[in-house]
Amino acid sequence: QKEVEQDPGPLSVPEGAIVSLNCTYSNSAFQYFMWYRQYSRKGPELLMYTYSSGNKEDGRFTAQVDKSSKYISLFIRDSQPSDSATYLCAMSPTNAGKSTFGDGTTLTVKP
Amino acid sequence: DVKVTQSSRYLVKRTGEKVFLECVQDMDHENMFWYRQDPGLGLRLIYFSYDVKMKEKGDIPEGYSVSREKKERFSLILESASTNQTSMYLCASNPAGGLNTQYFGPGTRLTVL
Repeated sequence: QKEVEQDPGPLSVPEGAIVSLNCTYSNSAFQYFMWYRQYSRKGPELLMYTYSSGNKEDGRFTAQVDKSSKYISLFIRDSQPSDSATYLCAMSPTNAGKSTFGDGTTLTVKP
Repeated sequence: DVKVTQSSRYLVKRTGEKVFLECVQDMDHENMFWYRQDPGLGLRLIYFSYDVKMKEKGDIPEGYSVSREKKERFSLILESASTNQTSMYLCASNPAGGLNTQYFGPGTRLTVL
């Protein structure tokens, strides 16, 4: 069983919809949680970074961590066609070095 | 802005060839990583390096080796390329003591015929 499981998708939503992307994990040592966005034929880029449990908001994006359930989510409000990409969750027990990545969820937002 | 560059965007090689993939970062990062990305299998760590001449195996090191002679450059070597090494290869870097976010290059799409 993988340490990090991510909803596989693909996900297709109309413009303006609220999107929920989710990952579960088994390693209770994970404390640092990240979401990366990867456009087609590009490398991933960091979107959100959170430490421990709680919520973090940045514009239309909200990252949520529930360590008791070993579950993290990324919410996208008012989704736009430019949000169409693959979203990867990543997590780590420390604030340096390696991360463990989910497989990614491909999102398409249709105008 | 952190910049991670990879020597080629697209590469086509033949089975049995020795292949070099080069990665350069310009932010003096200690850590550098090589991943391969395949549909349905996600991002898998091949090797990472935490300092010059230091390296550690990742999840799938078989068939690969690495070289880090200078801090800014991390090379991935396929000693004898095989068709099952056809993939997207991504290089990343991050600083040793900073936030655990990785900065990725644009990727090299390698096809082995």
